[in-house]
Amino acid sequence: DIQMTQSPASLSASLGETVTIECLASEDIYSNLAWYQQKPGKSPQLLIYYANSLNDGVPSRFSGSGSGTQYSLKINSLQSEDVSIYFCQQNYDSPPTFGAGTKLELK
Amino acid sequence: QVQLKESGPGLVQPSETLSLTCTVSGFSLTSYSVSWVRQPSGKGPEWMGRMWYDGDTAYNSALKSRLSISRDTSKNQVFLKMNSLQTDDTGTYYCTRDLSTTVVTPFDYWGQGVMVTVSS
Repeated sequence: DIQMTQSPASLSASLGETVTIECLASEDIYSNLAWYQQKPGKSPQLLIYYANSLNDGVPSRFSGSGSGTQYSLKINSLQSEDVSIYFCQQNYDSPPTFGAGTKLELK
Repeated sequence: QVQLKESGPGLVQPSETLSLTCTVSGFSLTSYSVSWVRQPSGKGPEWMGRMWYDGDTAYNSALKSRLSISRDTSKNQVFLKMNSLQTDDTGTYYCTRDLSTTVVTPFDYWGQGVMVTVSS
């Protein structure tokens, strides 16, 4: 199975700040990478797929980039509603596998 | 609008069988595939298996010997059965809709989840 390693495990940032979360795949996944946001007590919601495609209704302050084994999620101008856990998921090879998550809190 | 809702028991005895139902609305099970994903508390999600839109199934090899997924298209329902449950099967179980019909795909809609505790 392809292993997904996220960093950092937790992150504290101020309102209006720009934050970046990284995801490293154990092998090349050819941009088949999705990002999810999971708010406390809720189910995950798809933010980005195929590394940089924004899902419908997702604010434009979210963006994704990367290729090969290295990917990142950037949140511009952090808002209070962005406090969540963020997961990456590879969709290149079965079984699809997720990272352990990055917990984003407000400073 | 697209909705998925899981139902089933919250408590299962060790060694017993877990049975869950996912009831969908807003889309057809013959056009979209539905996956089951579980998440232990405080950990990342794990894909369990899929009911393809054409009625075929796919399973995570780590769970394949214990897992069965089926459906009833007339009732818009997908079913999960997993036997020989142990304490490390405790977690929240979600059904999800696959974004596309490719072999490996993101999940664009998730149910609210059902918390399952394996304990005597």
